[in-house]
Amino acid sequence: AQSVTQPDIHITVSEGASLELRCNYSYGATPYLFWYVQSPGQGLQLLLKYFSGDTLVQGIKGFEAEFKRSQSSFNLRKPSVHWSDAAEYFCAVWLSGGSYIPTFGRGTSLIVHP
Amino acid sequence: DVKVTQSSRYLVKRTGEKVFLECVQDMDHENMFWYRQDPGLGLRLIYFSYDVKMKEKGDIPEGYSVSREKKERFSLILESASTNQTSMYLCASWAERGYGYTFGSGTRLTVV
Repeated sequence: AQSVTQPDIHITVSEGASLELRCNYSYGATPYLFWYVQSPGQGLQLLLKYFSGDTLVQGIKGFEAEFKRSQSSFNLRKPSVHWSDAAEYFCAVWLSGGSYIPTFGRGTSLIVHP
Repeated sequence: DVKVTQSSRYLVKRTGEKVFLECVQDMDHENMFWYRQDPGLGLRLIYFSYDVKMKEKGDIPEGYSVSREKKERFSLILESASTNQTSMYLCASWAERGYGYTFGSGTRLTVV
């Protein structure tokens, strides 16, 4: 079955430290890949997306993500975390040729310590 | 930018009430969606719509219905609210295939 896995439910980092949030998917073909962020009490905001081409994509708020086909992964990174990055992060995948419905991971909650 | 507006940020309703959650998008998108979000369960799709007057059940449609009379508006209806429908409800619209959702700010519904 197709699935998206975010193996870390919570991640805690210190402000200024680097961050990597993991996302793995199980699909037969390369899907379209997305990362969303949700601040407390808010809706989800698109951080970045990958369709094809350069496997390192840049997003908003200083985030980037790297698509690794061999590992079926699309991990989100930021070199230096700010306290305002504390939020819930969701990975999502959508398979070309399929329905309009993406599959979301369960989310990773990022806690930032001062 | 696309804007998806949910009319209420917070709602408190009584058990048994009929509840309407409204969602409006301003970019002529054909595809609109309703999700609920609960801690530990992620996003779960309730209903979606590909076009006016069209609707499809998602993963958890029980206890809900929807209405799409105009392209820009997609309403979620709780026919008889129950306490287990206390949740965050998120509306989204979908521009082109693969271009991702635009979400509204969410409605936090409490049923007492």
